[in-house]
Amino acid sequence: EIVLTQSPGTLSLSPGERATLSCRASQSVSNNYLAWYQQKPGQAPRLLIYGASSRATGIPDRFSGSGSGTDFTLTISRLEPEDFAVYYCQQYASSPRTFGQGTKVEIK
Amino acid sequence: QVQLVQSGSELKRPGASVKVSCKASGYSFTSYALNWVRQAPGQGLEWMGWISTNTRNAAYAQGFTGRFVFSLDTSVSTAYLQINSLKAEDTAVYYCARAMISDYWGQGTLVTVSS
Repeated sequence: EIVLTQSPGTLSLSPGERATLSCRASQSVSNNYLAWYQQKPGQAPRLLIYGASSRATGIPDRFSGSGSGTDFTLTISRLEPEDFAVYYCQQYASSPRTFGQGTKVEIK
Repeated sequence: QVQLVQSGSELKRPGASVKVSCKASGYSFTSYALNWVRQAPGQGLEWMGWISTNTRNAAYAQGFTGRFVFSLDTSVSTAYLQINSLKAEDTAVYYCARAMISDYWGQGTLVTVSS
């Protein structure tokens, strides 16, 4: 089983700042089958990034994904008020398709 | 537009069973697999497994074998999650999500298990 470790657990930032979220895998994620999701309270998760770096339909270009192998990053270039949420990474390269534990981006 | 609409909240006694539905619309139901994901109160996302809407083959993550059953009714483009012998620790929101990359999600179904 691939274990995904996200850091930091909580990120306290102000609107307009840059957010950098990390997702580290216990073993290489083949084909870079790594996705990022955003979840707001009381809502279902929303797909942001798949294939480590491809933005999903309708996702603003301030969201970008990078990385390969075992180290992946989600970057939000300038935080908007609606971006404060919890972010999860998930690998879908092998079963079980594990999630990271999440990073909460909160308003400073 | 693609939609996954899940059934409403459920309150069940320990030992009972529950069946959660996930009705798909806006795309060819048998073209994409469906995942099931659990989220316990205040916790993160946990992948339960997936079902092929084409072959009906299902795969379950460890911890979701035995009491958990994925099924389909392709005639009404609906997937089901049945949980048998419910326990208090099954209290959670259950989501269905489309395809390997989970590009569309249902709104979630809260299952509460309490005596």
